[in-house]
Amino acid sequence: EAQVTQNPRYLITVTGKKLTVTCSQNMNHEYMSWYRQDPGLGLRQIYYSMNVEVTDKGDVPEGYKVSRKEKRNFPLILESPSPNQTSLYFCASSLTGAVEKLLFGSGTQLSVL
Amino acid sequence: AQSVAQPEDQVKVAEGNPLTVKCTYSVSGNPYLFWYVQYPNRGLQFLLKYITGDNLVKGSYGFEAEFNKSQTSFHLKKPSALVSDSALYFCAVRDLSGGFKTIFGAGTRLFVKA
Repeated sequence: EAQVTQNPRYLITVTGKKLTVTCSQNMNHEYMSWYRQDPGLGLRQIYYSMNVEVTDKGDVPEGYKVSRKEKRNFPLILESPSPNQTSLYFCASSLTGAVEKLLFGSGTQLSVL
Repeated sequence: AQSVAQPEDQVKVAEGNPLTVKCTYSVSGNPYLFWYVQYPNRGLQFLLKYITGDNLVKGSYGFEAEFNKSQTSFHLKKPSALVSDSALYFCAVRDLSGGFKTIFGAGTRLFVKA
């Protein structure tokens, strides 16, 4: 089954404690992306990747890092989380990032205390 | 710069009535437009897209959307709403001249009453 898998589903942490949210897709998609969802703001793009070793900033990249060492994986790294990064995070992928639909993971609810 | 506006935070309709969820966009190049739906505690699911061609696009679950270039709109419609259509709907636009970003609207909560 084609899917985007995110882990963990829920995460509670404290300010400053580094964390990683994993994302993996099994469709050989070139394009992967991270979004955060906040009430009244919709989804905002954090980072995206066009292919292995190719990443670019979205609209809200501050405080986040990503890497794309393998085609299937695109982890989101918060090196020093702060309370304003409390949000619902989604990973998504598509074949090339051009005109295809995005396939989303189930989301990661992050709380930073 | 690309932008998407969903002017209504919520839309309420009675089951069996037609529904419309509005979306307007702004891009510098050719727009690629999408609608996604989010059910509680779930990720977003693709409903339909407009790339080129016929201005009326049909999608999943009986939804359709009309692309209007002069009004820069892409409204989502369904002839007869179901209670199970109650969810959060997002309009999104992609403008490849501005990079491979997808910009989402703030979302519209649809309530369908039995």
